[in-house]
Amino acid sequence: EVQLVESGGGLVQPGGSLRLSCAASGFTFSSYWMSWVRQAPGKGLEWVANIKQDGSEKYYVDSVKGRFTISRDNAKNSLYLQMNSLRAEDTAVYYCARADQPAYYDILTGYSLGGDFDYWGQGTLVTVSS
Amino acid sequence: SYVLTQPPSVSVAPGQTARITCGGNNIGSKSVHWYQQKPGQAPVLVVYDDSDRPSGIPERFSGSNSGNTATLTISRVEAGDEADYYCQVWDSSSDHRYVFGTGTKVTVL
Repeated sequence: EVQLVESGGGLVQPGGSLRLSCAASGFTFSSYWMSWVRQAPGKGLEWVANIKQDGSEKYYVDSVKGRFTISRDNAKNSLYLQMNSLRAEDTAVYYCARADQPAYYDILTGYSLGGDFDYWGQGTLVTVSS
Repeated sequence: SYVLTQPPSVSVAPGQTARITCGGNNIGSKSVHWYQQKPGQAPVLVVYDDSDRPSGIPERFSGSNSGNTATLTISRVEAGDEADYYCQVWDSSSDHRYVFGTGTKVTVL
C-alpha cells in the first residue's frame, strides 16, 4: 500500500525557518517525480515545488523561489522541503504528492501531457504568525 | 501565467447529473486531471488524462476536454459525492508549473 506521511509542520514566526519531511513507503520512491502542494486555510490548492527522480531537476512556484528548497533522499525514501524567510502568506497545509506519470510536452502534437498526482499524504500544517 | 477557472459552486439533487467545468486558454491541448477533496482530507484523484479513471473510482465519474473547456461529469450523484473538486494541468510554457483550478463546491441537495 502506497503511503506518504508528512511531518515537521508547526507554528513559526515571520522570517523563521521550518523543514518539512515526507516519508514514503509501498512503492519504489526513486522511480517517481515528487511534489509539494499547499492549501491555505479555506483556499484552493497551490503547487509549490517538484523534484525529479534523481534530484537533478527542481522547479518552484514563483512565490517561493529563493526561499524554499526541495530535496530528496532516495536511500531513506524521503522528500523534504526546507522553508526559509517564512511569511504569513505561507500559512497552509502542506501535502506531499506523488506524480503518477512525468509531465512532458509532445513537440509533434503540441500537447502538454501527464502531470497528475495519484497519491497524497495527509498533510502537515504550517502556521506563520507572531 | 496560465489560469483555470471553475464555477464556485454546483448544486445537484441525488440521482441527477452534476457537471463541473474548467476553463482555460486552449485547455484542449493539455491533459486535465480532476481531484475530489472532502473536508479535512487530502485530495483524491478521480479522473486523469481528461477521461481516465484510477482504479477504485466509480464509473459515475467521467471527464471530457475540448477547446477551452474541460468538464467533469458525475452521474447518479450520491450524498457521498459532496465535496470540493479541482481541475489541474501541467503548463509547459511556464517553467514546468502545475496549475490547479479555483475549485468547485458540489452540494447534494
